[in-house]
Amino acid sequence: NAGVTQTPKFQVLKTGQSMTLQCAQDMNHNSMYWYRQDPGMGLRLIYYSASEGTTDKGEVPNGYNVSRLNKREFSLRLESAAPSQTSVYFCASSEGAGAFYEQYFGPGTRLTVT
Amino acid sequence: KNQVEQSPQSLIILEGKNCTLQCNYTVSPFSNLRWYKQDTGRGPVSLTIMTFSENTKSNGRYTATLDADTKQSSLHITASQLSDSASYICVVSYQTGANNLFFGTGTRLTVIP
Repeated sequence: NAGVTQTPKFQVLKTGQSMTLQCAQDMNHNSMYWYRQDPGMGLRLIYYSASEGTTDKGEVPNGYNVSRLNKREFSLRLESAAPSQTSVYFCASSEGAGAFYEQYFGPGTRLTVT
Repeated sequence: KNQVEQSPQSLIILEGKNCTLQCNYTVSPFSNLRWYKQDTGRGPVSLTIMTFSENTKSNGRYTATLDADTKQSSLHITASQLSDSASYICVVSYQTGANNLFFGTGTRLTVIP
């Protein structure tokens, strides 16, 4: 039982390049999330998927797209990377989307855009 | 504006000592408050969760308190160990909605021998 896995662990992009961050969970959770974590700031929600087949914007969605590929997988795509997207990205999952469901986090992807 | 503020930003203590971390929030309507531990290079892991009616919750050497009237919480760590070195993040939830978490910026704790 690996929990939440993310690939890659590290990535360096040049401005304007695109890439997809992959996330998978093996806990049969319905809801999945993408966050970014920047120095001096709390985690901020980019997009979330309350259930398979649905996605919604979070606090900071600009410059990102997501795909809920199936119940296990939720990917985050940067179409044209910008230096402002340099950050650590965390995927999380929870059994449901309500306030009482604990979110389980992956190990993160450290992305640098030059 | 819904906010979560934590203090101190960083803390250094000797192994074996106790410490207390603070969290103040303005999130309303309040549902629950969690404390997460985030080791360097890892994702956050939940330590405790408290609802409106709970004022104390323990998890081993970690004890969280909640005063819902003053909107304050604290995390007390007893007999600290080197492995307690991490960031501790306070997270407050709205009562409703899927997009309902507010994260503090964390307290960076370093335990030295």
